[in-house]
Amino acid sequence: EPEVTQTPSHQVTQMGQEVILRCVPISNHLYFYWYRQILGQKVEFLVSFYNNEISEKSEIFDDQFSVERPDGSNFTLKIRSTKLEDSAMYFCASSEWSSNQPQHFGDGTRLSIL
Amino acid sequence: KNQVEQSPQSLIILEGKNCTLQCNYTVSPFSNLRWYKQDTGRGPVSLTIMTFSENTKSNGRYTATLDADTKQSSLHITASQLSDSASYICVVSLLRGSGYALNFGKGTSLLVTP
Repeated sequence: EPEVTQTPSHQVTQMGQEVILRCVPISNHLYFYWYRQILGQKVEFLVSFYNNEISEKSEIFDDQFSVERPDGSNFTLKIRSTKLEDSAMYFCASSEWSSNQPQHFGDGTRLSIL
Repeated sequence: KNQVEQSPQSLIILEGKNCTLQCNYTVSPFSNLRWYKQDTGRGPVSLTIMTFSENTKSNGRYTATLDADTKQSSLHITASQLSDSASYICVVSLLRGSGYALNFGKGTSLLVTP
């Protein structure tokens, strides 16, 4: 069964540094998403992406965040100047032909900011 | 403020028993309600999606119900197995603009014991 894959599984970064989290969505999916889950808290929506542009974003997704689909397979989340509070598990997800379809999640990247 | 509240926070049941998890929401305008299963250290896995016009939906031993009038949903697990031990998350989709904003509950942590 096709899977959403995320790399790396764990990223440790110094505060203030830029970090790029990578995702390979399921190949025939058209909608892509990023979520985060701070340890012990609920999953929070960050952004959805369709047709090479952001379709929805939350209040969390401020100017330090950006997303990109640089080629036909990768979907990336960039955090420009990381803060301690950015430490969390970041999940990528994709859905087939509508954002109303089941979303398939990757197993996440654990981001630790020192 | 849009909210999704789940109960109980945690639950322990014996293998083979049934259980029901609850979800109350105040999200409006409502698009759909989803239940996810999240194993420790893994990404969420979709169990069911229901629109406001659907009252019930099943996926194997999982049956979700929805009462859009009272804004309540439940997830019933039949004949529980050890592998059902996980966090079960209720997610309500808010139709907004050109996309969907997902509101996550904090989850119910289920432990199935032999």
